[in-house]
Amino acid sequence: EDKVVQSPLSLVVHEGDTVTLNCSYEVTNFRSLLWYKQEKKAPTFLFMLTSSGIEKKSGRLSSILDKKELFSILNITATQTGDSAVYLCAEESYSGGGADGLTFGKGTHLIIQP
Amino acid sequence: NAGVTQTPKFRVLKTGQSMTLLCAQDMNHEYMYWYRQDPGMGLRLIHYSVGEGTTAKGEVPDGYNVSRLKKQNFLLGLESAAPSQTSVYFCASSATRGRKNTEQYFGPGTRLTVT
Repeated sequence: EDKVVQSPLSLVVHEGDTVTLNCSYEVTNFRSLLWYKQEKKAPTFLFMLTSSGIEKKSGRLSSILDKKELFSILNITATQTGDSAVYLCAEESYSGGGADGLTFGKGTHLIIQP
Repeated sequence: NAGVTQTPKFRVLKTGQSMTLLCAQDMNHEYMYWYRQDPGMGLRLIHYSVGEGTTAKGEVPDGYNVSRLKKQNFLLGLESAAPSQTSVYFCASSATRGRKNTEQYFGPGTRLTVT
C-alpha cells in the first residue's frame, strides 16, 4: 500500500486557470511534508511544511498542511505554460536515528495549454 | 557553488557488468541519499548516509552498495547489473539544523540502461 498518495495523477488545464493538487500521507514518525517540481531533470524544491494550518506562499504557488486529516494541497493560481511539470509530494519521517530519506508519491503530471 | 553533481550523466551496461555512480556536493551537507526513478513508480530511496563513514538501507537496497568515505562524496555501486536496474538515478543531500533536516537538494540524475 502506498504511503504517499497524490491526486490527480495527471491534469490538463488552460493558461490562467487555478489548479489544486492533492497529497495524502501516513502519520508514522512524520517529520515534514515537502513539495517538489520536476521538469526534465532534477526535482527542485518548492515547500517544506511541518506545522498544520500555516500556509506557505511563493508567488503564485501556495501550500498548506492538515496534520489532523493527513493531507496537503498545492495551489497554483493564474497558471502559465512554464508551470507544466510533474509535481511531487514527499513525506519525511524519522526513526530516532536521524534522516530516513523521503517517501515520494507518484506525482501529478500537470500540463498547461496556451 | 555547483550544488549536487553526478557522474556520469548517461551509461549503457551489459547484464553482469559493474559500475560506480559518483555523487558530489559542495554545500557541506551531512546527509546524502540515492534514489531511483522509474515510470509510474515515483522516486524510491535506495541507500542513504547520515555522515561520513556511515550508510543505511532505504526502501529498495538490493543489488546496490554504497560508500561515504568523504563527507562530500557518496558512491553508488552496482556489482552485477541487471535489466531491472535500468532507471534514472538521483543523488540528493541535505543539511541539519539541530535535530531537523533542511530540504533535500537533488543532482541532475544519471540515466542508466542495462541490456
